[in-house]
Amino acid sequence: NAGVMQNPRHLVRRRGQEARLRCSPMKGHSHVYWYRQLPEEGLKFMVYLQKENIIDESGMPKERFSAEFPKEGPSILRIQQVVRGDSAAYFCASSPGTGATEAFFGQGTRLTVV
Amino acid sequence: GNSVTQMEGPVTLSEEAFLTINCTYTATGYPSLFWYVQYPGEGLQLLLKATKADDKGSNKGFEATYRKETTSFHLEKGSVQVSDSAVYFCALSDPGANSKLTFGKGITLSVRP
Repeated sequence: NAGVMQNPRHLVRRRGQEARLRCSPMKGHSHVYWYRQLPEEGLKFMVYLQKENIIDESGMPKERFSAEFPKEGPSILRIQQVVRGDSAAYFCASSPGTGATEAFFGQGTRLTVV
Repeated sequence: GNSVTQMEGPVTLSEEAFLTINCTYTATGYPSLFWYVQYPGEGLQLLLKATKADDKGSNKGFEATYRKETTSFHLEKGSVQVSDSAVYFCALSDPGANSKLTFGKGITLSVRP
């Protein structure tokens, strides 16, 4: 059973470009969480999705950031018009359902904006 | 809101030394508590967890006990190894908040031979 798969592992974008980060949850998991880790900081919650629904986006910046988890395919975190401050590691976690006591993390995507 | 506070780091220890990393939390509900470890260049791995008061989580020689009276979940290991060098994150999951995780800032542990 493959774990949570994120790609790409490393992504370099110039200021103003778009970044698309992908996350395939573990088999059988229908809940996906995205977290952002800024340098020298802990992880901060961004968004929680179930298939085709955004459940909680209270941690998402109001502009330029969006997320989806379609019926088929991976979850996508999309950052439009990237700025240097978006440089961070973005981690995805999945769980089998609400109230699950453990979330499984991917290896993350390290975004560098130049 | 929920929050997790970890002791300031970094921490440097000699091999076979005793390790304690403090963690306290604030939560509105009845959270589950976790320690995650992040090795260099890697994602987070669950180290141990406890889901209710007085539970003790343990794994790879690490232990932590869920103390509701002191709202703490301190991580301990009796004898650290060089391979334990990593960043350690304390976290809580509140079922009343969609089970999203709230993390502490993390602490870097370096173990020297």
